[in-house]
Amino acid sequence: QSVLTQPPSVSGAPGQRVTISCTGSSSNIGAGYDVHWYKQLPGTAPKLLIYNNNNRPSGVPDRFSGSKSGTSASLAITGLQAEDEADYYCQSYDSSLSGPVVFGGGTKLTVL
Amino acid sequence: QVTLRESGPALVKPTQTLTLTCTFSGFSLSTSGMCVSWIRQPPGKALEWLARIDWDDDKYYSTSLKTRLSISKDTSKNQVVLTMTNMDPVDTATYYCARRSSGSGLDPWGQGTLVTVSS
Repeated sequence: QSVLTQPPSVSGAPGQRVTISCTGSSSNIGAGYDVHWYKQLPGTAPKLLIYNNNNRPSGVPDRFSGSKSGTSASLAITGLQAEDEADYYCQSYDSSLSGPVVFGGGTKLTVL
Repeated sequence: QVTLRESGPALVKPTQTLTLTCTFSGFSLSTSGMCVSWIRQPPGKALEWLARIDWDDDKYYSTSLKTRLSISKDTSKNQVVLTMTNMDPVDTATYYCARRSSGSGLDPWGQGTLVTVSS
């Protein structure tokens, strides 16, 4: 049971827009801690996709965007492409007994 | 260019102690704000954060695993070592190390090393 809750799967057709939610609580996202997002292709290490809620590292297309409000955060992907099919994880920090760094359970994005 | 690489045994027996080494280049762990974390991922499952060591030698552990974990660094060798005691088959996972610099997420990650716990 992950501290941050993500939908197990989302899907969309090429060109469409999809969002992935990440729901936390008052001890993590709601406490004001930053949220980061990672993309993981099968058999490879995760890669930073969004940092500090809504910032893209160099090289990440602007089709990817992040937002945060209250105890939740979201990752939005517009203009869906086949290479976007992957697992996506959110990550934040926590001040409770859960531990200082927490991940979401991951969301499998399928491009139809 | 920042790189990290995990190394350690591919197979350990139940009750044994696992020792993993993260060897990195392209940054110094003595630089203010730098940290290295260990994260693991059981086959087909989600990421689980394990431990972190900071530039000032502060150490943080997963609450559920802290009695079994120890993290240390050798700044001169650019290495971070994680030990996990009393290994169990449920600890079978790919173990990753990753850098975090101040004001960012975990970036980059090492390629990971698969550790299987079996007798």
